[in-house]
Amino acid sequence: EIVMTQSPATLSVSPGERATLSCRASQSITNKLAWYQQKPGQAPRLLIYGASTRATGIPARFSGSGSGTDFTLTISSLQSEDFAVYYCQQYNNWPPLTFGPGTKVDIK
Amino acid sequence: EVQLVESGGGLVQPGGSLRLSCAASGFTFSNYWMSWVRQAPGKGLEWVANMKQDESEKYYLDSVKGRFTISRDNAKNSLYLQMNSLRAEDTAVYYCARAMDFVVFWGLGTLVTVSS
Repeated sequence: EIVMTQSPATLSVSPGERATLSCRASQSITNKLAWYQQKPGQAPRLLIYGASTRATGIPARFSGSGSGTDFTLTISSLQSEDFAVYYCQQYNNWPPLTFGPGTKVDIK
Repeated sequence: EVQLVESGGGLVQPGGSLRLSCAASGFTFSNYWMSWVRQAPGKGLEWVANMKQDESEKYYLDSVKGRFTISRDNAKNSLYLQMNSLRAEDTAVYYCARAMDFVVFWGLGTLVTVSS
């Protein structure tokens, strides 16, 4: 099973600032990585797949990078609606499909 | 517009059973893999099971193998999850998802609580 880790667990950022979230896989997953955003009481929303391809309707301030075992989600200028929990998920080697534990982005 | 609406959640005693349903609309259901993903209260996301369009492939999380069964009825545009021998650690919101690997479309979820 591929284990996904995320850091930091919580990221405190001021609106307008840049946020950088990290995700690491226990073994290479090539570029088979997705990022999701989840707000309280809501289902997750797909942001990025293929490590760097934005999903339909996702603003350009969200970008993904990385390959192999190390990945990054960058939010270039945080908006109020971006404060949420972010999960990464690998789909290179399954079953099982596995998610990271999440990074909570909150207001500084 | 793609819609996935789960139902069937509720309170069940340990060892009991529940059957979750997911009604799909807005797309050709029979063309897509479907999945169940769950989220325990205050915790992260956990993939549970998925299945191919024609039911020829089904995969499960190890901890639910032998207890949960994923199925579908393409004529009714519906996905199901039969959950038997439920345990306290199965308590979660269960999401229906249109997905083989990464999830583009999610339902709103249905809460399953396993408690005496």
